[in-house]
Amino acid sequence: NAGVTQTPKFQVLKTGQSMTLQCAQDMNHNSMYWYRQDPGMGLRLIYYSASEGTTDKGEVPNGYNVSRLNKREFSLRLESAAPSQTSVYFCASTEGMTANYGYTFGSGTRLTVV
Amino acid sequence: GQSLEQPSEVTAVEGAIVQINCTYQTSGFYGLSWYQQHDGGAPTFLSYNGLDGLEETGRFSSFLSRSDSYGYLLLQELQMKDSASYFCAYILTGGGNKLTFGTGTQLKVEL
Repeated sequence: NAGVTQTPKFQVLKTGQSMTLQCAQDMNHNSMYWYRQDPGMGLRLIYYSASEGTTDKGEVPNGYNVSRLNKREFSLRLESAAPSQTSVYFCASTEGMTANYGYTFGSGTRLTVV
Repeated sequence: GQSLEQPSEVTAVEGAIVQINCTYQTSGFYGLSWYQQHDGGAPTFLSYNGLDGLEETGRFSSFLSRSDSYGYLLLQELQMKDSASYFCAYILTGGGNKLTFGTGTQLKVEL
C-alpha cells in the first residue's frame, strides 16, 4: 500500500506564479486534509474535505483553493504565490470522524517562494 | 481560547523514562491523539485516548484526564531513534472533522 502520495516533493516558485499540489490516497478514506508546517512550528490546517464533494476552510485558508476531485484525490492550489507561503505542505487522510483511527500523512511538499 | 500547549523542548538520556505534557483549553473534544515527527519527515500516529486513563502501546503510553484538562505521552526505555518532535492533537466536538495540533515538543535523547 502506498498510503498517501504527494507530488511534487520539492518546488521553487517565483512570487506571483501559480501551482497545484497533488495528493492521492489509496486507503478508501473519506476525509482528506491539507496542512502547512513552518520551521519550529506545529501543523496548521489550510483546508479539509470531510467527504467526497465537500470542502471547508481550516485555520489558514487565505491564498489557497482546493478541489476534491474524487474520493482518492485532493489538490491544493496557490493562485498567486507569495513568500509567506514558503512552507512544508502535508496532505493527510483518515477514515474516522473522531481521530481515533489516526491520520495518515504524506511525505510532504517543500515549497519555496522567492 | 481553544489551544493545546506543550513544552518546547525536553532532553533525556538513553534508557530513561520521559513524560511529555499537553494542557488544553476547550469546551469539548472527542479525544486526545499523539503524533511523532522526525526531522524532515511526515507525522505518524502514535496513540489515541478517547476516555480518561492510560493507554499502552509497547514502550509508549498516553494518558488523559478531562477533569484536569491535561494529558501526557510517556516514553520508556528511551532510544536514540526516539529523538523527534511530538505533538498532541484533538478534534473539537461540533467543529467539523478537523484535527488541531499542539505546539509540539522536541525530544532530544542523549547518550
